[in-house]
Amino acid sequence: ETGVTQTPRHLVMGMTNKKSLKCEQHLGHNAMYWYKQSAKKPLELMFVYSLEERVENNSVPSRFSPECPNSSHLFLHLHTLQPEDSALYLCASSPSSGGGEDTQYFGPGTRLTVL
Amino acid sequence: DQQVKQNSPSLSVQEGRISILNCDYTNSMFDYFLWYKKYPAEGPTFLISISSIKDKNEDGRFTVFLNKSAKHLSLHIVPSQPGDSAVYFCAASAEDSNYQLIWGAGTKLIIKP
Repeated sequence: ETGVTQTPRHLVMGMTNKKSLKCEQHLGHNAMYWYKQSAKKPLELMFVYSLEERVENNSVPSRFSPECPNSSHLFLHLHTLQPEDSALYLCASSPSSGGGEDTQYFGPGTRLTVL
Repeated sequence: DQQVKQNSPSLSVQEGRISILNCDYTNSMFDYFLWYKKYPAEGPTFLISISSIKDKNEDGRFTVFLNKSAKHLSLHIVPSQPGDSAVYFCAASAEDSNYQLIWGAGTKLIIKP
């Protein structure tokens, strides 16, 4: 496995369910990111982790809970979501979190539908 | 208020011709700009970037131009090929925001045979 992988690729959940999205990077990077992409809108940065510490939380509702157990894995725990949370959730990694010229490498995303 | 704007949701270009994708920004502190390309069911992939100290960067068929006074950048693809059909995202970053990327909404490029 190379690059950035995400599972599941598709997820349908009810508003009372609890689920988790998983991301794994095989690039030896130190920073990992969660983005949300709603239809025809810009990518919205949700969380940034650098060396397993959260360095950015862009006013994301508490029903989204990230976890970074090590520099290769990133989770997004979902609980009591709303239909407007339906979107494509993208994970990315980069060599570091503060470098202006650090390229971010993306996974294929998880298409989430909240019923 | 969007700091990075891609005003054309879609663009259709004949194969072999030049594709020009545009991006405008409002934050004068942005000092690094990137273009990403996204195919359906895949994540965005990095295409080309430019630092604010330059006005042009070229990589094969892809050239990015930066006009700082107009706060405008463009991506030129020449000649356009069918495999270039994708959504193209412009993104920008600034040192004072810890280089977090601010993204445009994307332009869908369709290359016609």
